[in-house]
Amino acid sequence: QSALTQPASVSGSPGQSITISCTGTNSDIGSYHLVTWYQQQPGKAPKFMIYEVNKRPSGVSNRFSGSKSGNTASLTISGLQAEDEADYYCCSYGGSGTWVFGGGTKLTVL
Amino acid sequence: QLQLQESGPGLVKPSETLSLTCTVSGDSINSSNYCWGWIRQPPGKGLEWIATIFYSGSTYYNPSLKSRDTISVDTSKNQFSLKLSSVTAADTAVYYCARLGATVHFPGAFDYWGQGALVTVSS
Repeated sequence: QSALTQPASVSGSPGQSITISCTGTNSDIGSYHLVTWYQQQPGKAPKFMIYEVNKRPSGVSNRFSGSKSGNTASLTISGLQAEDEADYYCCSYGGSGTWVFGGGTKLTVL
Repeated sequence: QLQLQESGPGLVKPSETLSLTCTVSGDSINSSNYCWGWIRQPPGKGLEWIATIFYSGSTYYNPSLKSRDTISVDTSKNQFSLKLSSVTAADTAVYYCARLGATVHFPGAFDYWGQGALVTVSS
């Protein structure tokens, strides 16, 4: 079971849009609609922002959206704000009751 | 409001067994709608799923931990626990317990997390 692949860092200016990719395999992202995205602020526990690829829990801004194509899932943040600066992790079901996280992406708001 | 709280020793010697307990308050752990799991994060690194347990007792483990880990649930105390044997410095991490949606409620999402417990493996 290998970690999902995410870019180590992305950056954008306030008001811009950014996209974070998360690449897996046919055994995880490619086979299941269970991709979740987490936001982690320094020193805090992760907070889930997107579940089932593209669903947003109540309380999460509609500036956050998710999608999937083949073995790659993506998180897009539009109208970037300073408060969005954080680490972001994807997670996918890997079959047989297992879960796999991505390596994490540090988002910097310039 | 659901709350999860990790507890256990913050320092474990190499080759010994790490033991952590997660106490759940605000809801019963005995629900078919959820699973309960452990995730860890080495200092400065990413998240790693360790294990998950259903209320029924069914368990699932990360194969990379090579069967060193055991997850269990105590419904009478509304707690679940993790034991990780033969620890090395590589097991030093913040260990989080979390609730995992299993059916209609946020399926596949770890929706509630504990604050995390730092466990250091050192002699």
